[in-house]
Amino acid sequence: DGGITQSPKYLFRKEGQNVTLSCEQNLNHDAMYWYRQDPGQGLRLIYYSQIVNDFQKGDIAEGYSVSREKKESFPLTVTSAQKNPTAFYLCASSPHPLAGGKSSYNEQFFGPGTRLTVL
Amino acid sequence: AQSVAQPEDQVNVAEGNPLTVKCTYSVSGNPYLFWYVQYPNRGLQFLLKYITGDNLVKGSYGFEAEFNKSQTSFHLKKPSALVSDSALYFCAVRDIVSYKLIFGSGTRLLVRP
Repeated sequence: DGGITQSPKYLFRKEGQNVTLSCEQNLNHDAMYWYRQDPGQGLRLIYYSQIVNDFQKGDIAEGYSVSREKKESFPLTVTSAQKNPTAFYLCASSPHPLAGGKSSYNEQFFGPGTRLTVL
Repeated sequence: AQSVAQPEDQVNVAEGNPLTVKCTYSVSGNPYLFWYVQYPNRGLQFLLKYITGDNLVKGSYGFEAEFNKSQTSFHLKKPSALVSDSALYFCAVRDIVSYKLIFGSGTRLLVRP
């Protein structure tokens, strides 16, 4: 099956601790994204990457870090600098928006999410 | 700046009745619009998109959406609601500069038996 996997499904973090959320896709997509979802606020973009070894900050990047060493993987680290990290985190992927043709307008495919709770 | 608005936090409808979930957008240039659905503790599932062409777009699970340029709207519709349609629905627009998706705040649909 092709798709996006996220692990773990649930994650608990102590104050002052860094944690890393995993996101893997086997869709051969160039672009990957991390969103944060809070009740009543929809999805907010944390970071995105349109190609390997390159990524850009989204709207709420403070307190987070990412890497994109492989096309299929885009891990997100929630650092101790993120003061309110309790949320539902969603990873997504899509063909490169500049790929041309119909793939330029392709939707994003989402993983099942990781729920992070600070203890 | 591109944006979408979902004016209703929740929509209630009886099973078998038609449903509408509203979305309005603000973009410069041609809008690329999407609808997603989210079930509890799950990721988002793509329903349909408008890129160009017919104003009535058909999607998954019997849903359709009507693009109205003059009213800058992209409302999601279904002729006959099912209890299993109860979920959180998001409208999104693609930013023409950064290619990011910008999401609305979501509308919770509750279909009662």
